[in-house]
Amino acid sequence: EDQVTQSPEALRLQEGESSSLNCSYTVSGLRGLFWYRQDPGKGPEFLFTLYSAGEEKEKERLKATLTKKESFLHITAPKPEDSATYLCAVQASGGSYIPTFGRGTSLIVHP
Amino acid sequence: DAEITQSPRHKITETGRQVTLACHQTWNHNNMFWYRQDLGHGLRLIHYSYGVHDTNKGEVSDGYSVSRSNTEDLPLTLESAASSQTSVYFCASSEFIGGTETQYFGPGTRLLVL
Repeated sequence: EDQVTQSPEALRLQEGESSSLNCSYTVSGLRGLFWYRQDPGKGPEFLFTLYSAGEEKEKERLKATLTKKESFLHITAPKPEDSATYLCAVQASGGSYIPTFGRGTSLIVHP
Repeated sequence: DAEITQSPRHKITETGRQVTLACHQTWNHNNMFWYRQDLGHGLRLIHYSYGVHDTNKGEVSDGYSVSRSNTEDLPLTLESAASSQTSVYFCASSEFIGGTETQYFGPGTRLLVL
């Protein structure tokens, strides 16, 4: 059974204080790993897809990296507007394309 | 711009009533999904569809049904609402990019069953 574990559950940062969110996964074969951002009262917003170990993707202050067992979402010099819940999901190779989601990391950035 | 919409955004109903939540997408995606999101559980798949007249059960399908009569719409019906179905419901559709199916989500419907 595919499993996705995100840590920490919650993270509080000061503006400008860089940090990383972790997504550990267990899957028979990885087709893709997804990162989403979810603001309160809204649906998840797609950020990145990573396909293979060693791959990196960047968007503004966010950089996602991937190894064979986990993915990190690095947040550099965060701003209050980066406050959100970040969700990770994996899609296994073979079979359906249904992703397995983690429970998310709630990030609060204080000014 | 193409988009995915859900209605209503908020709904209060009573136990035992039938409720239908609407989902409409204009991307012409074949694949559509319904999830519920609850504290402590994350996103859980209710039903999904790979095209017109195709429907499949997800992880938590009991008490829910869907129908797909066209590409754009996947309504979710709670046949006899229960308090345990109080939740936030998200619809999603997906497209095939780079060897994976990438899901895009609607804004959600917050349902309260009294």
